[in-house]
Amino acid sequence: GENVEQHPSTLSVQEGDSAVIKCTYSDSASNYFPWYKQELGKRPQLIIDIRSNVGEKKDQRIAVTLNKTAKHFSLHITETQPEDSAVYFCAASNTDKLIFGTGTRLQVFP
Amino acid sequence: NAGVTQTPKFRILKIGQSMTLQCAQDMNHNYMYWYRQDPGMGLKLIYYSVGAGITDKGEVPNGYNVSRSTTEDFPLRLELAAPSQTSVYFCASSYSDSELGNTIYFGEGSWLTVV
Repeated sequence: GENVEQHPSTLSVQEGDSAVIKCTYSDSASNYFPWYKQELGKRPQLIIDIRSNVGEKKDQRIAVTLNKTAKHFSLHITETQPEDSAVYFCAASNTDKLIFGTGTRLQVFP
Repeated sequence: NAGVTQTPKFRILKIGQSMTLQCAQDMNHNYMYWYRQDPGMGLKLIYYSVGAGITDKGEVPNGYNVSRSTTEDFPLRLELAAPSQTSVYFCASSYSDSELGNTIYFGEGSWLTVV
């Protein structure tokens, strides 16, 4: 089955700096790669996703890149703000089920 | 639309008791899922369903059972609760597009403590 690895487990950045979170997946048939943000005590919320027919996608300060050959994808957050502080999860899916990475705790210091 | 609704939000169980976590969605999604999230950890898939009458095991199914008699409802049953089942449980649903992938929407979570 699918296995998703995520790095780093924690990430601290200064406000205004960029943050990058990386994930690798094992199942070459996976075709959908979402990223979720989870604030303390809340449910995970979808922030951006990418499908296997696209190499990069941007939404304001957030971007995701996908390298299907290497089976890895990354989340890039530019101009970080304190409200970006949360736990971020990557995930990979091959139609039926979504398997999550272990999460990255991002702290943005003012 | 209410989205994905889970009940109860909080529950304390004694070891050996049983209970059912309820989940309902009103988005006419065909896929539904149950995940558990231990404190400070990631989300692990317990069971999922691709449609009414069809269920399948996820990564951590032991100690749980599910049923999917209707498109809207996907209850999770805990038999003989154990302290290791102390966790936050998230129900989720999606409309599956086999070519483009499926966007999952989560319920607010159910906090379960087994003592």
